[in-house]
Amino acid sequence: GEDVEQSLFLSVREGDSSVINCTYTDSSSTYLYWYKQEPGAGLQLLTYIFSNMDMKQDQRLTVLLNKKDKHLSLRIADTQTGDSAIYFCAESITSASKIIFGSGTRLSIRP
Amino acid sequence: GAVVSQHPSWVICKSGTSVKIECRSLDFQATTMFWYRQFPKQSLMLMATSNEGSKATYEQGVEKDKFLINHASLTLSTLTVTSAHPEDSSFYICSQDRGEETQYFGPGTRLLVL
Repeated sequence: GEDVEQSLFLSVREGDSSVINCTYTDSSSTYLYWYKQEPGAGLQLLTYIFSNMDMKQDQRLTVLLNKKDKHLSLRIADTQTGDSAIYFCAESITSASKIIFGSGTRLSIRP
Repeated sequence: GAVVSQHPSWVICKSGTSVKIECRSLDFQATTMFWYRQFPKQSLMLMATSNEGSKATYEQGVEKDKFLINHASLTLSTLTVTSAHPEDSSFYICSQDRGEETQYFGPGTRLLVL
């Protein structure tokens, strides 16, 4: 079946790196996404990676994919207070198919 | 700027009334739109897939007679919550497939049923 799992909470010190982990079960997943949701707001696509890639970097964001273990991670370098939000890991088989979301990881930043 | 809009952005209604939520594409004709809902402190779950000109496909556990979806044009899909009850209070979000690598999400509609 389709399932995406994440830890619920992560607390990091401002300026440190944040690493949010995710595992998924559907081996046919082709697209793997990271979305950000701030309180009371909609979804913001942060980045995505294809299943045939191992890594993708975009400014402060680095996505690592271990396809064998079905493990996805999002690293945020130099975490800032504006990074406080819920981060959703998600997957889909194609870009036109339904997206399966994880439970979300609430990232809090301490001074 | 936003390419997918939703209206209203929030709504409060009495139990038993029906509420219509619009998902509109501002600059693209989308054959397929998706409707998700997010209960407080939970993740997003797909409710149904809306295809222009045909009946929507509902996920298991979602009542098609309660959540009416109409995708009458390529730029508009509507979700009507009929006889809404407090347990239907949720955040409803639509997304649109544009044949690109990612879907486009609307800003969401927050529904509170009293």
